[in-house]
Amino acid sequence: SQQGEEDPQALSIQEGENATMNCSYKTSINNLQWYRQNSGRGLVHLILIRSNEREKHSGRLRVTLDTSKKSSSLLITASRAADTASYFCALTGNQFYFGTGTSLTVIP
Amino acid sequence: GAGVSQSPSNKVTEKGKDVELRCDPISGHTALYWYRQRLGQGLEFLIYFQGNSAPDKSGLPSDRFSAERTGESVSTLTIQRTQQEDSAVYLCASSLAGVRGGQYEQYFGPGTRLTVT
Repeated sequence: SQQGEEDPQALSIQEGENATMNCSYKTSINNLQWYRQNSGRGLVHLILIRSNEREKHSGRLRVTLDTSKKSSSLLITASRAADTASYFCALTGNQFYFGTGTSLTVIP
Repeated sequence: GAGVSQSPSNKVTEKGKDVELRCDPISGHTALYWYRQRLGQGLEFLIYFQGNSAPDKSGLPSDRFSAERTGESVSTLTIQRTQQEDSAVYLCASSLAGVRGGQYEQYFGPGTRLTVT
């Protein structure tokens, strides 16, 4: 499958801790995006990293991309209970593929 | 400005009936996507519209599924002779033009939760 595969599938941490989610893929990509989804409804775009970039920051988010290993990671620092959601990577190459998602629970 | 809207928000239908789901994209967005998401799973690509180009229908699971888009505005996803396995949330997204929209973020609607009994 060309879909991104994310791990872990589920992650539970205490508020204030950092959360790291990984996305691995098989095909070549133009860029990779991360999205967040609350309550099984619409997704919200978090950050886009291009294939020629290695790291990108946005607030408490840090995304890395290693095209040689075909993997990306999303780090959320100083997590908050409101960060509880599912997080998906999305690959853009010849088509647009979403990963299987990581369900993050931040315990207050 | 207004975001992507979808209607209805919830739809319960009997097996064998046809359903029509509607998506109103953000004005000016030439790319429009439909996805299906089963409970607890990721997004499954269904179909992609880009301007006046022929749509990419490669994700449609069967010939019971079809979609149309009028110009760069509203789109409808039709499921004929619904089956129980069609139960899912159907999400619509739009984005500015790019190579298959991949250079730009997608803006998602709230989804339509379809339940086939």
